[in-house]
Amino acid sequence: DTEVTQTPKHLVMGMTNKKSLKCEQHMGHRAMYWYKQKAKKPPELMFVYSYEKLSINESVPSRFSPECPNSSLLNLHLHALQPEDSALYLCASSHPGDYGYTFGSGTRLTVV
Amino acid sequence: GQQVMQIPQYQHVQEGEDFTTYCNSSTTLSNIQWYKQRPGGHPVFLIQLVKSGEVKKQKRLTFQFGEAKKNSSLHITATQTTDVGTYFCAGPGSGAGSYQLTFGKGTKLSVIP
Repeated sequence: DTEVTQTPKHLVMGMTNKKSLKCEQHMGHRAMYWYKQKAKKPPELMFVYSYEKLSINESVPSRFSPECPNSSLLNLHLHALQPEDSALYLCASSHPGDYGYTFGSGTRLTVV
Repeated sequence: GQQVMQIPQYQHVQEGEDFTTYCNSSTTLSNIQWYKQRPGGHPVFLIQLVKSGEVKKQKRLTFQFGEAKKNSSLHITATQTTDVGTYFCAGPGSGAGSYQLTFGKGTKLSVIP
């Protein structure tokens, strides 16, 4: 299995809602990442987990809360988001260190 | 912090013409990676270059890493409509930030049939 699976593919949520994005991989990768991508922009790093521990938080607002329950799963909990948070949220995984990333197909999030 | 600059931002070519995108880093990179993102899709890993002066080929795609490990290029020979998409270079941070893959702004390639 050489895929990163993200659910849901699309999500529309209100500013008072709580939702979660899910990501799963079975490639044995021990590093997992959340990226945010706005239209016509490159992916921007949000969180990095290495061996299930949060190693980098790029000063992301607390309304985004990551969770890594085990080496195959990564969640992103969303609460009280703003319309400007609407974007494509990408999950990726890799072997820790300098290796290429495998990206999931993303969750297209719209905050209304 | 590390910055990865990429040019051009857009490139329109006639099918069959060649295409090149260039990437420059403000710091020496341990490696550089290239990704392709089709319209409406997600980034897909193409290749990683590690050695100074390294050149790698994948069919019509040629990737180069500069001698100083600060610049890289992707050249596509005889473009096809299947080459359409945005090509990103990306470099890792250093030290504790080595997991931080920083993407260039990307070059969006359009191929006119």
